[in-house]
Amino acid sequence: EVQLLESGGGLVQPGGSLRLSCAASGFTFSSYAMSWVRQAPGKGLEWVSAISGSGGSTYYADSVKGRFTISRDNSKNTLYLQMNSLRAEDTAVYYCAKVNTVVPAAIHLGHFDYWGQGTLVTVSS
Amino acid sequence: QSALTQPASVSGSPGQSITISCTGTSSDVGSYNLVSWYQQHPGKAPKLMIYEVSKRPSGVSNRFSGSKSGNTASLTISGLQAEDEADYYCCSYAGSSTSPWVFGGGTKLTVL
Repeated sequence: EVQLLESGGGLVQPGGSLRLSCAASGFTFSSYAMSWVRQAPGKGLEWVSAISGSGGSTYYADSVKGRFTISRDNSKNTLYLQMNSLRAEDTAVYYCAKVNTVVPAAIHLGHFDYWGQGTLVTVSS
Repeated sequence: QSALTQPASVSGSPGQSITISCTGTSSDVGSYNLVSWYQQHPGKAPKLMIYEVSKRPSGVSNRFSGSKSGNTASLTISGLQAEDEADYYCCSYAGSSTSPWVFGGGTKLTVL
């Protein structure tokens, strides 16, 4: 059974930093791209970032480019999101999601087949 | 890229069928068969219901179906059940290999 468990959320001041983690199990972690998707309170889903199975390719939404860094440790089956220069508009539940695609080298053609339960990040003074 | 356009809400009675639309552009929905749909109950994580326009993951009821015409994709739910009441989001490849995905704004389905 695929399981994704996020952690690391919390309250942080504007301009601060936070690192989210997502522990994965139930599948061969290194074989799949992974992604972060967020949802502001009462709002819709917004794709944030993605990373290839090897970690060699990364992708970012324009809204977080230059501030967030996605990474993974395949030896620990764990996905990370380092968030710097946080703003009030980054307040959201952050979900990690497994990316499924028929072409592993083309993760941009994939979809999100499993999701974690999310971790809440609140940016406020 | 701009978010895909979905109706804010739809409703239907038990047993009826409803359709949720998802309108993009010729750069995203219209150019690729890479639309997926997600169901989200309050306080829960999203769940994949449809991928690649019309494919259903294992375990998803065949009451859920997807289609596409031009720049608009659609999710149809037949034989509405109370448990179908949820928010539904479409998602498409955005035509950019650096920022690949764009979501719709979401549709609240109410089962009357």
